[in-house]
Amino acid sequence: QVQLVQSGAEVKKPGASVKVSCKASGYTFTSYYMHWVRQAPGQGLEWMGIINPSGGSTSYAQKFQGRVTMTRDTSTSTVYMELSSLRSEDTAVYYCARVRWLLRRFDAFDIWGQGTMVTVSS
Amino acid sequence: EIVLTQSPGTLSLSPGERATLSCRASQSVSSSYLAWYQQKPGQAPRLLIYGASSRATGIPDRFSGSGSGTDFTLTISRLEPEDFAVYYCQQYGSSPNTFGQGTKLEIK
Repeated sequence: QVQLVQSGAEVKKPGASVKVSCKASGYTFTSYYMHWVRQAPGQGLEWMGIINPSGGSTSYAQKFQGRVTMTRDTSTSTVYMELSSLRSEDTAVYYCARVRWLLRRFDAFDIWGQGTMVTVSS
Repeated sequence: EIVLTQSPGTLSLSPGERATLSCRASQSVSSSYLAWYQQKPGQAPRLLIYGASSRATGIPDRFSGSGSGTDFTLTISRLEPEDFAVYYCQQYGSSPNTFGQGTKLEIK
């Protein structure tokens, strides 16, 4: 079945970087755009950016420009989100989410990873 | 950036009642690229509605979406116990994607 499986929880110190992975299975990896969304404890959903797994092109929310890098490995059907210069406000659950229809950049998110908790604390 | 404002913040209803959730956009949402998600504690969001009014696969027909332009509504015709959760609207027609702040649907 179609699923996204994310890497495990992380604890990082302020100023460090974190890299979260999201492994896709059950569909053609390169045919569906992937997004990253985060959710701070008790808060709403915040869009971080999008990656085209086919060519690797990306687009990031302005808030994260310069701190976030999204990449993919087509050989393992995995996308990655790396966030640098971490601060306490980055403590959140990070989700990868696939768009609903193939080759559509502007689309709703129908498949979500289980989420990865990233805690930033000294 | 399109700002989405959901109302009410919290809605207290009983099973069997009808729920009406609102999502208002700061500018017109292109091509009705508006989605609704349900999120339960400790779980990832679940897509309910896309394109403002189309139900996602496997979503019961008690869930319906309507609206266009800047005003959108999610209606749950007859609440089941499993429907009590937080609901988010999202516009995906222009970058950046944005989400509303959520409506918590709680049992009265």
